[in-house]
Amino acid sequence: DAKTTQPNSMESNEEEPVHLPCNHSTISGTDYIHWYRQLPSQGPEYVIHGLTSNVNNRMASLAIAEDRKSSTLILHRATLRDAAVYYCILRDYNTDKLIFGTGTRLQVFP
Amino acid sequence: KAGVTQTPRYLIKTRGQQVTLSCSPISGHRSVSWYQQTPGQGLQFLFEYFSETQRNKGNFPGRFSGRQFSNSRSEMNVSTLELGDSALYLCASSLLTGSSYEQYFGPGTRLTVT
Repeated sequence: DAKTTQPNSMESNEEEPVHLPCNHSTISGTDYIHWYRQLPSQGPEYVIHGLTSNVNNRMASLAIAEDRKSSTLILHRATLRDAAVYYCILRDYNTDKLIFGTGTRLQVFP
Repeated sequence: KAGVTQTPRYLIKTRGQQVTLSCSPISGHRSVSWYQQTPGQGLQFLFEYFSETQRNKGNFPGRFSGRQFSNSRSEMNVSTLELGDSALYLCASSLLTGSSYEQYFGPGTRLTVT
């Protein structure tokens, strides 16, 4: 299973943009890049996913490097509710498993 | 549309007993996956069911099993419980199976084994 590397923690101030990086140098051509987040005492929540092109939805944007070896989740204006653990996951085309790493704990300060 | 529901939300069992956890996916979703979350190991994939068939399985002993019914509802069973099975068990559903589909998680069942 391809692995991802994320910083253990990041901090942001409220209403500022947040860029959460993820390295996945062993990604294969058919692996999708998924992002989930887990708020305290809740199950993980889907954020966004993509294959090659940058993606936008109401929650966030996903910027994928041209060589696909890294990606960045962008929260355009952080709120206190965005404080969570963010997981960057490669979803294997053949097995479809979601293999969670340790994620990035995002703290948002007022 | 109602989200993924899991029952029960909390459970306390004794070592050696067995337990059955239930998951109702989002209406129309046909794939159900199960995960175990512990402070030490994080989130680990257990298995995935699609159209009543187990499609993928994680690295867990045979004491962990599951099944899916024709209405896509799923159950997982853990037999001969061990203290290390204490964890949050999460169920996730997706419309179809495949790496391009996002998963929607339930709130989990907190299992405590004493």
